[in-house]
Amino acid sequence: ETGVTQTPRHLVMGMTNKKSLKCEQHLGHNAMYWYKQSAKKPLELMFVYNFKEQTENNSVPSRFSPECPNSSHLFLHLHTLQPEDSALYLCASSSGQGVEKLFFGSGTQLSVL
Amino acid sequence: TQLLEQSPQFLSIQEGENLTVYCNSSSVFSSLQWYRQEPGEGPVLLVTVVTGGEVKKLKRLTFQFGDARKDSSLHITAAQPGDTGLYLCAGERGSTLGRLYFGRGTQLTVWP
Repeated sequence: ETGVTQTPRHLVMGMTNKKSLKCEQHLGHNAMYWYKQSAKKPLELMFVYNFKEQTENNSVPSRFSPECPNSSHLFLHLHTLQPEDSALYLCASSSGQGVEKLFFGSGTQLSVL
Repeated sequence: TQLLEQSPQFLSIQEGENLTVYCNSSSVFSSLQWYRQEPGEGPVLLVTVVTGGEVKKLKRLTFQFGDARKDSSLHITAAQPGDTGLYLCAGERGSTLGRLYFGRGTQLTVWP
């Protein structure tokens, strides 16, 4: 098992669909993150969870809804997305203590038609 | 406004050449990290520097944190095709969890 696993790897959805991205970490970390990576833009932090509690919502539209049932699992529920939401969505985890060191999953490449 | 500016944006070199990638800011960071990302994968942490003037070496890669903790550089000696990838710098400010600011990255291609 790799440290941080994301599924699915690729997702194509219409603007009226509802889908969910899943992330699981096997590193015993307490903090989990969602990042968005678009072409020609730096990595954008979306949400932070620490010990299952959301500690950061970086002004993300409500069509993105995160869920963190426990410290090992993180979901991103998607509904009524726009074509400009097409991007690579990366999950990461960290110990939540000391200097932040992020361990990333391979990402979900999302295309919204 | 981009907090961390990376240069160059693209770099294409031949195997065996040396190169330097820069990460600059007008802000002070408590730590700075370098990641490498390959196509279809997430970024992988290479190194973390926390002390002004610190130099760390990872085989053929040398990382330096500026004395004022506002900038950093990554130097690769005798580049190899396996070094190809997107190099990202990320700076941490303060103690708020998740407050890592990423640069746009330098896309390095090393040709055999």
